[in-house]
Amino acid sequence: AQKITQTQPGMFVQEKEAVTLDCTYDTSDQSYGLFWYKQPSSGEMIFLIYQGSYDEQNATEGRYSLNFQKARKSANLVISASQLGDSAMYFCPLGGATNKLIFGTGTLLAVQP
Amino acid sequence: ETGVTQTPRHLVMGMTNKKSLKCEQHLGHNAMYWYKQSAKKPLELMFVYNFKEQTENNSVPSRFSPECPNSSHLFLHLHTLQPEDSALYLCARSQAYTVDETQSFGPGTRLLVL
Repeated sequence: AQKITQTQPGMFVQEKEAVTLDCTYDTSDQSYGLFWYKQPSSGEMIFLIYQGSYDEQNATEGRYSLNFQKARKSANLVISASQLGDSAMYFCPLGGATNKLIFGTGTLLAVQP
Repeated sequence: ETGVTQTPRHLVMGMTNKKSLKCEQHLGHNAMYWYKQSAKKPLELMFVYNFKEQTENNSVPSRFSPECPNSSHLFLHLHTLQPEDSALYLCARSQAYTVDETQSFGPGTRLLVL
């Protein structure tokens, strides 16, 4: 069965500092993808970054980078230089053979000035 | 801006009412999705439409009835709902129904069932 585990219910970070949000997954699919989304209090899911299981390089997108460790089945998100607008819920859904996304419980990030 | 709009943004309904949620996208994407997000629970996939055909029904109760009349519109028809159906309902789209396609979400409809 496919599963996503986000062990940090909540995180605090000081503005301008870096933060790592943890994500581990379980799947029996050979080909899969990991996504990170941000959900502000307004409710909309905002796509941040994607990592495919066969990608050799870790994905990066601006201030976001994904620390992908396939053997450990982890795909942690690193946000550099945190901003107040980064305060939100963060999800790392797993996509399998089709694009059916499996979500975890998320991590609530609070950026403090 | 994700290219997905949802109406209404908020809805309050009684258990005997019938209402519909609407999702719209004009990017010509072929896959559309309904998700349910209840308080303190992971986001749950409800339905998937691929090329206007329903390809996934995640054991959703029959009081939720989806409809996809064309590639731009997706509806979720609601009738005789229960208070536990109160949640944020999110619509999403993707170019294709494959593992590497990013799903873009709408702003959601916050539903309260009294």
